[in-house]
Amino acid sequence: DVVMTQSPLYLPVTPGEPASISCRSSQSLLHSNGHNFLDWYLQKPGQSPQLLIYLGSFRASGVPDRFSGSGSGTDFTLTISRVEADDVGVYYCMQALQTEGFTFGPGTKVDIK
Amino acid sequence: QVQLVQSGTEMKKPGASVKISCKASGYTFANFAISWVRQAPGQGLEWMGWISAYNGDTNYAQKFQGRLSMTTDTSTSTAYMELRSLTSDDAAVYYCARGSPFCSGNNCYSYWAQGTLVTVSS
Repeated sequence: DVVMTQSPLYLPVTPGEPASISCRSSQSLLHSNGHNFLDWYLQKPGQSPQLLIYLGSFRASGVPDRFSGSGSGTDFTLTISRVEADDVGVYYCMQALQTEGFTFGPGTKVDIK
Repeated sequence: QVQLVQSGTEMKKPGASVKISCKASGYTFANFAISWVRQAPGQGLEWMGWISAYNGDTNYAQKFQGRLSMTTDTSTSTAYMELRSLTSDDAAVYYCARGSPFCSGNNCYSYWAQGTLVTVSS
């Protein structure tokens, strides 16, 4: 199984400041089609998860451009250029390459300082 | 607009089964797989598997093999997830989700239902 790790697991942030979360996979997520099968989700308190970034770096529809995804292979980063109060919640990365099953990272809780 | 709506809260005893529905609307049901993800209280997200709404093909996570079944009813655009032999470890919120054509159809989840709480207690 592909194991996903995230760091940090808790991230206190200051509104207006940048923030980044790292996600690493135990196997390369680079598909033969050139895309990385790595997604980022945000689960706000009391809500269902929502897709932020797909295929490593593509912003989902309606996602503010302060969110960006980067990386390739086994190392990925989600960056928030200027954190807003509405960005609090738990951020998960998910690998969607392994046909035997997808796996989520443990989650990173983002909170306002 | 695309909507996924799940059935309500379930209270089950250990050893019982639970079957949750996920009714889709706003798109052609057969065009996308439905996936299921669960979240134990205070824990992270756990991928369970998916079912093709086109031909019924399934792909289950290894840990659920043998006690998980996913089905669809194309006449009502509804997907079902049944989990058998429940234990306290199965207490969780269960979500159905749908993919996006931008990520090969099922490699990212653009739409999520509201979730169904399943409690397991004697």
